[in-house]
Amino acid sequence: EIVLTQSPATVSLSPGERATLSCRASQSVTNYLAWYQQKPGQAPRLLIYDASNRATGIPARFSGSGSGTDFTLTISSLEPEDFAVYYCQQRSNWPPELTFGGGSKVEIK
Amino acid sequence: QVQLVQSGAEVKKPGASVKVSCKASGYTFPDYGISWVRQAPGQGPEWMGWISAYNGDTNYAQKLQGRVTMTTDTSTSTGYMELRSLRSDDTAVYYCARDGGTSTSGRFQHWGQGTLVAVSS
Repeated sequence: EIVLTQSPATVSLSPGERATLSCRASQSVTNYLAWYQQKPGQAPRLLIYDASNRATGIPARFSGSGSGTDFTLTISSLEPEDFAVYYCQQRSNWPPELTFGGGSKVEIK
Repeated sequence: QVQLVQSGAEVKKPGASVKVSCKASGYTFPDYGISWVRQAPGQGPEWMGWISAYNGDTNYAQKLQGRVTMTTDTSTSTGYMELRSLRSDDTAVYYCARDGGTSTSGRFQHWGQGTLVAVSS
């Protein structure tokens, strides 16, 4: 099973600041990497798929990069509604399984 | 618009089974699949498996093989997830999500509202 390790576990930032979140895979996932945002009591929301493609309706301040084993989600300028937990997720071809990382919480400083 | 509406919360005893439903609307049901994802309290999401609404093909997470069964009913555009031999660590919110039709894509744009399953003696 491919393990995804996210860092930092928690980061404290102010609105307007830049957030940089990391996701490292235990083996290459090529570019099959997605990012989700989750707020309390809600289902996860897809932000980025295939490492760098924004999902429908996602603002341009969210961007994804990376390939292989190292990936980054960047929020260029935090808005109040961006304070949440972020998860990365990978899809492996064989066996065909998905796994999620442990999450990174972006909290208000 | 795409909607996935799940069945209500369940409380089960250890060893029992639970079956959660996910009724889809707003799209052509057989063109897609459904993945099931659960999230234990305070934990990250865990993918449980995928089913094609076109032909019923399934992929289950290895960890749940033998305990989980996913089905669909195209006449009602509904997906089902049954989990057997429930344990306390199966306590979680269970979500359905629209997925690829021929294999899991991992691209979950549309989700159900979640169903809490609590396992307690």
